[in-house]
Formats: sequence, C-alpha cells, structure tokens
Amino acid sequence: AQSVTQPDARVTVSEGASLQLRCKYSYSATPYLFWYVQYPRQGLQLLLKYYSGDPVVQGVNGFEAEFSKSNSSFHLRKASVHWSDSAVYFCAVTGANTGKLTFGHGTILRVHP
Amino acid sequence: AQTIHQWPVAEIKAVGSPLSLGCTIKGKSSPNLYWYWQATGGTLQQLFYSITVGQVESVVQLNLSASRPKDDQFILSTEKLLLSHSGFYLCAWSLLGGTETLYFGSGTRLTVL
Repeated sequence: AQSVTQPDARVTVSEGASLQLRCKYSYSATPYLFWYVQYPRQGLQLLLKYYSGDPVVQGVNGFEAEFSKSNSSFHLRKASVHWSDSAVYFCAVTGANTGKLTFGHGTILRVHP
Repeated sequence: AQTIHQWPVAEIKAVGSPLSLGCTIKGKSSPNLYWYWQATGGTLQQLFYSITVGQVESVVQLNLSASRPKDDQFILSTEKLLLSHSGFYLCAWSLLGGTETLYFGSGTRLTVL
C-alpha cells in the first residue's frame, strides 16, 4: 500500500525566512511524487513534481523539493517566504499506471508579515 | 488550453435528499478523470477514477456513485445523502493513468444538514 506522512500539521514562519515542509512516503515501486498547494476555498494547484533524474526539482514561485530514496522523503523548501505563501501544502505519491494518487494530511503554512 | 469546470460551486442539502455534482473538461480528449473528497480541514481521499466513457472504478465506498456519460463529463451522485457526505468535492483530470500530473477543478462545497 502507498502512503504519505506529513509530520508537521502546522508551520509558522516570518516573512523572509526560509522554509522546509517535510514529507515521507511509502511506496514499493518507483514513486512519482508531487507537491500541491491549496489556497482557502480553492482547488489544488501543482507546485512541482518528481519522476526521475536530478533529485532536486524546481517548481513555481521559488519552491523546490529534494527526493531522497534512502530516506523515502520528498521535502519542500523555499529560501524566502512571502505572506502570500500562506496556504495548505499537500505531498502526494503515485506509481506507474495505478490510477491512484495518495495524499498526505497536509501542512498548514502561516507566514507572519 | 484545457479547462475544468465543476458545478455547482456550493450546495446545502438535507439528509436523505439526492445529490448530483458535475465536472466538465474542455480542450483535452480522452482524459483520465477523478473524484476526490476532502473533509473540512482534512486530507484528500480518492473516490473514483475513470479512464474511458462508461467505465468507472470505485476506490472508496462512501454510499456514492459516479458515472462518465461523455468523454468530457464526470458525474458524482447519490440518492440519499448522509451527514458524513459534507465536505469539499474535487474533480481532476490527467493524461495518463497515475503518472502524469493531476489538474484539479475549483471544487464544490457540500453541506448536509
């Protein structure tokens, strides 16, 4: 079975500070990993994805994530956050042709202006 | 450009009443389609997915059903709503089964009283 754990339910940082949101996954085969963001009362928007290759992937709005097979992790980072980054961030995993994308419980990010 | 439209935006329904939510994708032929449910403040749980017209796979049993009457349309319904059906329903599409990115609609907020 596939699963995703986001150990931090809430993260609060000051504007301009660096950010790391943690994600651990469990998947028996080659994982396909995603980070999505959800703003209040909206659907999900893709930030970035990893399929293969360079373990550090760049996304939109200055976000990046690093895949670690040995740690089964896919942590999201940003060098300097803005108040508009306040949202809920979801990590997700799937595999080849499974038709099933499994999400973590999400991390609520609050950025103090 | 591809667009995904969900309707209605919000619904307030009584327990025991019927429900029908819709989703239409324009600009992409033969997409894979998905329904997700999100409890208030919770993670996203996949309910159904479909790879072709008339074919729907159930992932979780929540006394809901789904149908794909046209290539670009996905319908979620039930004849009798339960209180537990309240939440946020998201439709999504992708190009290939599970390996490609899911693109989400803006969702339908359902309140069952």
